[in-house]
Amino acid sequence: QVQLVQSGAEVKKPGSSVKVSCKASGGTFSSYAISWVRQAPGQGLEWMGGIIPIFGTANYAQKFQGRVTITADESTSTAYMELSSLRSEDTAVYYCASREYYYDSSGYYWGQGYFQHWGQGTLVTVSS
Amino acid sequence: EIVLTQSPGTLSLSPGERATLSCRASQSVSSSYLAWYQQKPGQAPRLLIYGASSRATGIPDRFSGSGSGTDFTLTISRLEPEDFAVYYCQQYGSSPAAVFGQGTKVEIK
Repeated sequence: QVQLVQSGAEVKKPGSSVKVSCKASGGTFSSYAISWVRQAPGQGLEWMGGIIPIFGTANYAQKFQGRVTITADESTSTAYMELSSLRSEDTAVYYCASREYYYDSSGYYWGQGYFQHWGQGTLVTVSS
Repeated sequence: EIVLTQSPGTLSLSPGERATLSCRASQSVSSSYLAWYQQKPGQAPRLLIYGASSRATGIPDRFSGSGSGTDFTLTISRLEPEDFAVYYCQQYGSSPAAVFGQGTKVEIK
């Protein structure tokens, strides 16, 4: 059973950056993709981006392009999400979540699945 | 990009009643790659349904999913007290981006 454990709550000043970690255990880190999903207070779920660790290349939602960086360290089975130029609207709970990725019959990657496992969430508060 | 619209926004029901939640996609969802999640206050979302109609491990059979193309439904046959929560649909597949609906809150009437 995959477990995702995230780093603790953060309080940041506007304009600064935050880096949240997500350590995986109980599974093979290279066999799934990690995404970051955030939830502002009282709001819904918003996908920010994701990475397949063995590929190393991240994909980002257009809204966060240029401000978010997602990385993964296979040696420690840990994924990271760094968000820069923080503003008050970035106050939210940030979740990491894992999902399978798919290959076709020719062995080519073609897509990603539903989120089977979630971290516990990390509250990031942006306040002056 | 596909847009998922959930309705109603809030569903007020009593324990024991049937809940029917809708998720409508702006374009056809290929191969019924549609999932449903339950989220309770202060908790991470939990996977309920994938592939539009397959229950995830450990999910009670009072939860069922149906639909194809652009119209999908999550049905809770008889609401238990622990089922009052917010429910999200999510489309997945060939795009690395994950798209969520805005959520339906099931509250106690």
